[in-house]
Amino acid sequence: NAGVTQTPKFRVLKTGQSMTLLCAQDMNHEYMYWYRQDPGMGLRLIHYSVGEGTTAKGEVPDGYNVSRLKKQNFLLGLESAAPSQTSVYFCASSWTLSYNEQFFGPGTRLTVL
Amino acid sequence: DAKTTQPPSMDCAEGRAANLPCNHSTISGNEYVYWYRQIHSQGPQYIIHGLKNNETNEMASLIITEDRKSSTLILPHATLRDTAVYYCIVIPGANSKLTFGKGITLSVRP
Repeated sequence: NAGVTQTPKFRVLKTGQSMTLLCAQDMNHEYMYWYRQDPGMGLRLIHYSVGEGTTAKGEVPDGYNVSRLKKQNFLLGLESAAPSQTSVYFCASSWTLSYNEQFFGPGTRLTVL
Repeated sequence: DAKTTQPPSMDCAEGRAANLPCNHSTISGNEYVYWYRQIHSQGPQYIIHGLKNNETNEMASLIITEDRKSSTLILPHATLRDTAVYYCIVIPGANSKLTFGKGITLSVRP
């Protein structure tokens, strides 16, 4: 099992450009999450999904959109990137809401110039 | 959600036990204590969780005080690869939203 994978690993954008980060999991998990981590900070939840076709806002959702068209994939989109979105983005997945062992991907390091 | 307090850093010698403290004095009766760690440049990794009783798995032991206001994560034989930031998180069992604070940086020295 590959677990949770993220594509791409690194990306540099110019202000105003758009991009999509892909998260894939092969553990048949229902729940998936997107977090961001800024230098010296803990992770903050951007959006999450409780199942295929459903998404919900987390702590810091502004400037991001997500989609969960397939159970195994969770996409994070930036429509118009801003320097404040420079961060490391982590995707995670878990079995259920009541069991919080989340499995994390390796992260995507995004720089917006 | 209950908040947690952790010292910013600590170190220990390789091969010795590492005891990482966490205070959660406002924890509610239905809230669990979770521990995750994050090795540099990697995604966080689940370690262990508990409600009232002490717990042990292949990675660590979790000791929760009787009043549940504090806990200690124990790595019995720390190795250099255990150098990481360790997060203590308190959440209700039915809520999957993890709130990561700054954690405690553990440095294992040779």
